[in-house]
Amino acid sequence: GENVEQHPSTLSVQEGDSAVIKCTYSDSASNYFPWYKQELGKGPQLIIDIRSNVGEKKDQRIAVTLNKTAKHFSLHITETQPEDSAVYFCAARNGVTGGGNKLTFGTGTQLKVEL
Amino acid sequence: DAMVIQNPRYQVTQFGKPVTLSCSQTLNHNVMYWYQQKSSQAPKLLFHYYDKDFNNEADTPDNFQSRRPNTSFCFLDIRSPGLGDAAMYLCATSRDRASHEQFFGPGTRLTVL
Repeated sequence: GENVEQHPSTLSVQEGDSAVIKCTYSDSASNYFPWYKQELGKGPQLIIDIRSNVGEKKDQRIAVTLNKTAKHFSLHITETQPEDSAVYFCAARNGVTGGGNKLTFGTGTQLKVEL
Repeated sequence: DAMVIQNPRYQVTQFGKPVTLSCSQTLNHNVMYWYQQKSSQAPKLLFHYYDKDFNNEADTPDNFQSRRPNTSFCFLDIRSPGLGDAAMYLCATSRDRASHEQFFGPGTRLTVL
């Protein structure tokens, strides 16, 4: 089955700096890669996603890049703000018939944006 | 606003005492999921429904059962909770089989005494 690794497990940045979180996946059949933000005591919230036919996607201060050959994808947050502090999860979805809509999550990155 | 609702937000039960967690959705989505998330870990899929078609993950313990009486509601039953079942339980939905995006509820924090 799919295995998703995520690094780093914790990340501390100064307000206004950029933050980068990286994930690798094992199953070349995976074709959808979402990123979720989870604040303390809340459910994960989708912040951006990318499909395997696209190399990069951007939404304001957030961007995601995908390298299918290397099987890794990254989340980039620019001009970080204190409200960006949360746990971020990457995930991968296997698009092969029978894999269904199952998401395999990475282990999470605790991002702390310091004033 | 269309959303995924979980009740209760916090649930305390005793070791071995059955407990039921509930999830409802106003999105009219076909697919519903239950995840278990332990402290500082990633969500782990327990099972999911495509409409009424139930799909159990291979490593989900028999202690966990689920019911989906209609499109809007889904229940997670833990027949004999153990201390190791203390976790956040997350419900999520997808529009249909082809949809990628999953929408999560706020979760129910289960404590087992």
